Amino acid sequence: AQSVSQHNHHVILSEAASLELGCNYSYGGTVNLFWYVQYPGQHLQLLLKYFSGDPLVKGIKGFEAEFIKSKFSFNLRKPSVQWSDTAEYFCAVNDPGTYKYIFGTGTRLKVLA
Amino acid sequence: GAVVSQHPSWVICKSGTSVKIECRSLDFQATTMFWYRQFPKQSLMLMATSNEGSKATYEQGVEKDKFLINHASLTLSTLTVTSAHPEDSSFYICSARGTYTSTDTQYFGPGTRLTVL
Repeated sequence: AQSVSQHNHHVILSEAASLELGCNYSYGGTVNLFWYVQYPGQHLQLLLKYFSGDPLVKGIKGFEAEFIKSKFSFNLRKPSVQWSDTAEYFCAVNDPGTYKYIFGTGTRLKVLA
Repeated sequence: GAVVSQHPSWVICKSGTSVKIECRSLDFQATTMFWYRQFPKQSLMLMATSNEGSKATYEQGVEKDKFLINHASLTLSTLTVTSAHPEDSSFYICSARGTYTSTDTQYFGPGTRLTVL
């Protein structure tokens, strides 16, 4: 069965620190990969997505992610976080055939001002 | 663009009553809508997939007679929690996939918090 693992459940960083959130998935076929962010009290918003092509994907708000097929990974990065990045981050994969998403357990990021 | 709304945003009901939650795509036509359940500090669990004009497809372990889904139009899907019990208390989130949006991307509603007393 497909699954998505996010290794860091809680991350606390100071402003200007660099961020990397891990995401690994298990699926034998072609997948589409996503990172969503959920700010406190708000709905999930798409940060970035990978379907094909350049494995380094740039998203909104300075986030990027790298798809490494051999490692089944899609880690999220940001060189310098801000207090406003405090949120919960979800990695997801979908099966292009069914369009269903499988979500990771999420990572709560707290950025200290 | 690609805005999804949910109504109500929160609801409190007595055990044994039914609750209907609406999910609307405001600026696009949603060929497929998805319903998720999110428990506190946990991830989103897909409950069912609904396509306009056809019966919803439920994930394993989800009671279709308890969680009735109707996708009557390309902009509206409803989830009815029938004979709700306290264990049904949760955060319910819908998402939509459109015909003119990126078809592999889901756009999420803000969620509905259901509390069953």
